[in-house]
Amino acid sequence: QVQLVQSGAEVKKPGASLRLSCATFGYTFSHYFIHWVRQAPGKGLEWMGIINSNDGTKAFAQKFQGRITLTRDSSTSTVYMDLSGLGSDDTALYFCTREPDYKILTGEFLYPFDYWGQGTPVTVSS
Amino acid sequence: SHELTQPPSVSVSPGQTARITCSGDALSKRFVSWYQQTPGQAPVVVIFEDNKRPPGMSQRFSGSASGTLATLIISTTQVEDEADYYCFSIDVNNEQGAFGGGTRLTVL
Repeated sequence: QVQLVQSGAEVKKPGASLRLSCATFGYTFSHYFIHWVRQAPGKGLEWMGIINSNDGTKAFAQKFQGRITLTRDSSTSTVYMDLSGLGSDDTALYFCTREPDYKILTGEFLYPFDYWGQGTPVTVSS
Repeated sequence: SHELTQPPSVSVSPGQTARITCSGDALSKRFVSWYQQTPGQAPVVVIFEDNKRPPGMSQRFSGSASGTLATLIISTTQVEDEADYYCFSIDVNNEQGAFGGGTRLTVL
């Protein structure tokens, strides 16, 4: 079955960098985009960026431009998110989720964010 | 930047209809999807492409969109519908995604 399995909890110091992974199972990796979404404690969902698992093209939220990198490893069906220059406001639960590539897939019930990873808690503290 | 605006909270009595709005300039050109989130859980899609329900989603959930305003409608609201609801869309001009700020639905 479809699963998105994220890497474990992280504790980082201010200024450090972070690498999170999202390993996917149970579907054709190249047929779906992967989005990254985070949620700070007690706050709302925040969209961070998207990567096309097929060709690697990406887009990021403006606030993360310059300190976020998204990569994918097609051989392991895994997507990585790197975030540099961490601050305390980066403390959050980080999710990956998938969206169909509608240029490849057709069907009545294709929709974004149908499966989510379990979330990776990240704490940034000195 | 791509911004979506939702009311912070909506309250209804059980059995009433709840309406949650989402406004943003980019909505006139791109579909909206809606997500329900309960504490400690990942979001669950309740509406996609403005007004479509995923398989198995209760028919009490529906959506509409016109111009720069999208609305999630929950009919015959039940206590189990209490949750945070988020709209999401992507700005076609720059492929920037955005969630609305979220609406806490209270059923009492």
